[in-house]
Amino acid sequence: EVQLVESGGGLVKPGGSLRLSCAASGFTFSNAWMSWVRQAPGKGLEWVGRIKSKTDGGTTDYAAPVKGRFTISRDDSKNTLYLQMNSLKTEDTAVYYCWVVVDYGMDVWGQGTTVTVSS
Amino acid sequence: SYELTQPPSVSVSPGQTARITCSGDALPKKYAYWYQQKSGQAPVLVIYEDSKRPSGIPERFSGSSSGTMATLTISGAQVEDEADYYCYSTDSSGNLVVFGGGTKLTVL
Repeated sequence: EVQLVESGGGLVKPGGSLRLSCAASGFTFSNAWMSWVRQAPGKGLEWVGRIKSKTDGGTTDYAAPVKGRFTISRDDSKNTLYLQMNSLKTEDTAVYYCWVVVDYGMDVWGQGTTVTVSS
Repeated sequence: SYELTQPPSVSVSPGQTARITCSGDALPKKYAYWYQQKSGQAPVLVIYEDSKRPSGIPERFSGSSSGTMATLTISGAQVEDEADYYCYSTDSSGNLVVFGGGTKLTVL
């Protein structure tokens, strides 16, 4: 079964940092382009960023609101995706999802992990 | 920055056809994808590459794209189709993924 399990969410003060993890199973993680998507309370889906597979260069791209503050990385030996979030703002409060397209017409989402940025 | 524009809401009676649009300047060259999201749940892909339907998605869901507009059509909408629907695509470079703002579909 293809599965993504996020962890690491919690309450953090503005200006603080947090690292999210996403454990993957059931597919060849090292070949996958992995993304993070977030959803603020009562709001729509917002793409955060993506990391390509190492064979495709392993490069990252980020949405404008998080560029320079968030960093996506991967550990293919552990089948795990990471999201390092620094200089957090109240507007970063959201459920953060790990997301992967595993084949044409087939994608997988994690259950989400909640990040709350508040003083 | 690149944006995809959707109507905030669409309302139809059961059995009617619901059409949800998504407009973006790069859509003539980039595929559109559509997600259904019910309250408290992760999104479910209902259309990929403009008009293809994933396995397990009912035939009443279809997609099309022409010029700068993609359209999700639900023929004979049912009460259980009530949900938020999001389109997504990439910018012209293909490097940035963008979601539309979402459309709340009401079937009553």
